[in-house]
Amino acid sequence: GAGVSQSPSNKVTEKGKDVELRCDPISGHTALYWYRQSLGQGLEFLIYFQGNSAPDKSGLPSDRFSAERTGGSVSTLTIQRTQQEDSAVYLCASSRTGQPPTYEQYFGPGTRLTVT
Amino acid sequence: GNSVTQMEGPVTLSEEAFLTINCTYTATGYPSLFWYVQYPGEGLQLLLKATKADDKGSNKGFEATYRKETTSFHLEKGSVQVSDSAVYFCALSSYNQGGKLIFGQGTELSVKP
Repeated sequence: GAGVSQSPSNKVTEKGKDVELRCDPISGHTALYWYRQSLGQGLEFLIYFQGNSAPDKSGLPSDRFSAERTGGSVSTLTIQRTQQEDSAVYLCASSRTGQPPTYEQYFGPGTRLTVT
Repeated sequence: GNSVTQMEGPVTLSEEAFLTINCTYTATGYPSLFWYVQYPGEGLQLLLKATKADDKGSNKGFEATYRKETTSFHLEKGSVQVSDSAVYFCALSSYNQGGKLIFGQGTELSVKP
């Protein structure tokens, strides 16, 4: 079956612009995660959804970052007023459920964001 | 808070050499431990996992044993191949944290023929 898909694959934006990144999880997966991979910070957790609710937003770096999930499926990560330090690869992952934490997370190919 | 520390790379080995990538963790309770691999140009994929102390995860010739006494989960392979060249990430997740993964910094492995 289809894996996790993300769009766009690449995004170049000017500093100060808003961007939206999309994630389509594997059908039937109730848990969805956003991570960020950057040279300086490695792989960082951003936010976790169980269904449409986000019980853990602790990794969002600032209030410029927000995310939502609708219909228990597609999720959108929005970055407002982008800064150069937001440049990174944004990864989405899904799993059958967030509890217990032993289920495999399946990762998408990522969106490479470059802020100029 | 929870954290993962793994050996820095890059690690360069000749084909058929023995591989060890060290990983230690700090966590409350009893986390699940994972190794993820990222091949060049590809996404992250799970290599192996262990969910309780003394469990051994294994896949594709790689092994790692969950050692609670030393809080370690070292990755080993007896004979590496050129196709094993990739970046390897050690990670943990805790039951009370919704399954989010805490990653180590990653170790780049390059295997030469």
